[in-house]
Amino acid sequence: QSALTQPASVSGSPGQSITISCSGTRSDVGYYNYVSWYQQHPGTAPKLMVFDVSHRPSGVSNRFSGSKSGVTASLTISGLQAEDEAVYYCSAYTSSNTLVFGGGTKLTVL
Amino acid sequence: EGQLVESGGVVVQPGGSLRLSCAASGFTFEDYAMHWVRQAPGKGLEWVSLINWDGTTTYYVDSVKGRFTISRDNNKNSLYLQMNSLRIEDTALYYCAKGRAVITPLERWGQGTLVTVSS
Repeated sequence: QSALTQPASVSGSPGQSITISCSGTRSDVGYYNYVSWYQQHPGTAPKLMVFDVSHRPSGVSNRFSGSKSGVTASLTISGLQAEDEAVYYCSAYTSSNTLVFGGGTKLTVL
Repeated sequence: EGQLVESGGVVVQPGGSLRLSCAASGFTFEDYAMHWVRQAPGKGLEWVSLINWDGTTTYYVDSVKGRFTISRDNNKNSLYLQMNSLRIEDTALYYCAKGRAVITPLERWGQGTLVTVSS
């Protein structure tokens, strides 16, 4: 049950695109297509942004997109906006049906 | 979408016990699997436990196995986490969250309740 690996920080200017990676193993990211991404602003609860690798919940902007290749998942945010500045966490279910999160990536909008 | 409200977080000594509660409203509680996720101060998210819709299936992170017990009362629309043999490293904000089934995304989270383990 080791945490998934994410970069500690990424940054981009308004209007640009950024991608956050999430690396795991064949027992988690590579096992199911059940990778999710959560956004957390300071002092608030996490919010689901992408689920099942590439699906967006109702109400989430189509600027957020997800993908996966092998044991690495990615979240891309296009057309960066100031409100996107937050910490982003990936998660994946494991072969044991437990859940593991990544360490989180702080996105700074310059 | 509904609402989740956690309660029960307090300051407790190492080795002590505590029961957290999560009150659900605005959705059909028994239709959902439920999770506990924690976040130590200034740290990332750590999944703690999961229970299926009727309480017959549970899962735990290794670090809490044998110490924590997740349970639910669908008649009271409530989720619980019994925490025993608490350690300093259990200090965290504890969130409850709901998912459509056992291995589905956490689609709605509460605001959390703070557990501090300190002597």
